[in-house]
Amino acid sequence: DAGVIQSPRHEVTEMGQEVTLRCKPISGHDYLFWYRQTMMRGLELLIYFNNNVPIDDSGMPEDRFSAKMPNASFSTLKIQPSEPRDSAVYFCASSLAGTGSNEAFFGQGTRLTVV
Amino acid sequence: AQSVTQPDIHITVSEGASLELRCNYSYGATPYLFWYVQSPGQGLQLLLKYFSGDTLVQGIKGFEAEFKRSQSSFNLRKPSVHWSDAAEYFCAFRNTGGFKTIFGAGTRLFVKA
Repeated sequence: DAGVIQSPRHEVTEMGQEVTLRCKPISGHDYLFWYRQTMMRGLELLIYFNNNVPIDDSGMPEDRFSAKMPNASFSTLKIQPSEPRDSAVYFCASSLAGTGSNEAFFGQGTRLTVV
Repeated sequence: AQSVTQPDIHITVSEGASLELRCNYSYGATPYLFWYVQSPGQGLQLLLKYFSGDTLVQGIKGFEAEFKRSQSSFNLRKPSVHWSDAAEYFCAFRNTGGFKTIFGAGTRLFVKA
């Protein structure tokens, strides 16, 4: 398996523009997570899905952020409008439910810079 | 509140020396515990995990960790560090009732020749 695939790897956009980050989880995994990593706040869980359904979005910082998972093999994280403080590395991860100990597998991340 | 703490922001060790990275958690029961490593510009890679059984777990790249319930700790160790181990290390926690993984702030490891 190719692992969790994120695109793009890097994104530079101007303040106010819409940004869409994409993720393809590992085939067969039924949990998908979006994390944000910054120097100040570390790794923050933004939202996670189970079987394409959002379970917990309490980490989504503002209404400007939205996430969807239209099918088991694709998810998006959208920021509209973007702001400079949204600059961060955004990670997607997936895992397979079982005993609950199954770890999350991470993608390479998308480095977002909002200027 | 459930949380995981990594007390050391950064650590420097000499190549060949032993390493111990600290991790403490706060949770009412035994959680699932993980150690991940992140190299610059890369995603997180799982080193090892604990969920039950033997409290000393072996991982990849020569790492091991010991779960100590009495101390609410899950420290990561390696007997002899290599320059390629320089990276950021994250301890993570998941409670036994859910799938939400919470990460510590990370410890950056520097290796000197």
